[in-house]
Amino acid sequence: DADVTQTPRNRITKTGKRIMLECSQTKGHDRMYWYRQDPGLGLQLIYYSFDVKDINKGEISDGYSVSRQAQAKFSLSLESAIPNQTALYFCATSDPSGGAPDTQYFGPGTRLTVL
Amino acid sequence: GNSVTQMEGPVTLSEEAFLTINCTYTATGYPSLFWYVQYPGEGLQLLLKATKADDKGSNKGFEATYRKETTSFHLEKGSVQVSDSAVYFCARYNQGGKLIFGQGTELSVKP
Repeated sequence: DADVTQTPRNRITKTGKRIMLECSQTKGHDRMYWYRQDPGLGLQLIYYSFDVKDINKGEISDGYSVSRQAQAKFSLSLESAIPNQTALYFCATSDPSGGAPDTQYFGPGTRLTVL
Repeated sequence: GNSVTQMEGPVTLSEEAFLTINCTYTATGYPSLFWYVQYPGEGLQLLLKATKADDKGSNKGFEATYRKETTSFHLEKGSVQVSDSAVYFCARYNQGGKLIFGQGTELSVKP
């Protein structure tokens, strides 16, 4: 079984709709991250959370919100989706107390299309 | 500033050719450096890393050496295979607990 899972894997929605992307992990890591990937731009950090009570904005948080429901779950919401939020979204985790605190582990991604 | 710059793709090679993907970074100090690989339809996987200057990371025939003099971490492989076709991302660790990624380089290996 995958250590970091994302649901849904693909989603098509319309402008103005609210949408939630979910991430779950079984790695027991405290830190979780949401990235978006656009062709030619690499990965850009949207939000990150270092524990259940800690939420931080990344480079491109406008138009997004997050919820850390538990250590294992970190959800990304688009309150009112717009077409330029069409992208591939990745969740990642890391363990600051482990042997490799700087290494992140990624989920399979969610492809979101906003029409 | 704090950034990571990779050579632009796509890179197209024949099987068994030598691969180099350039990566340079700007940073204060000597952060850990990474190469991640993204196979078609999948998420990113850690390929290799180096945590201090002059370290060499290696995995699956790929290598990269942490060069502080040139602030570089170029990815190399002596003989690529069709199965190496993927997008490769260079990244550096940020002391704020985050990774800074390059823009990615697409590699296509032809039989």
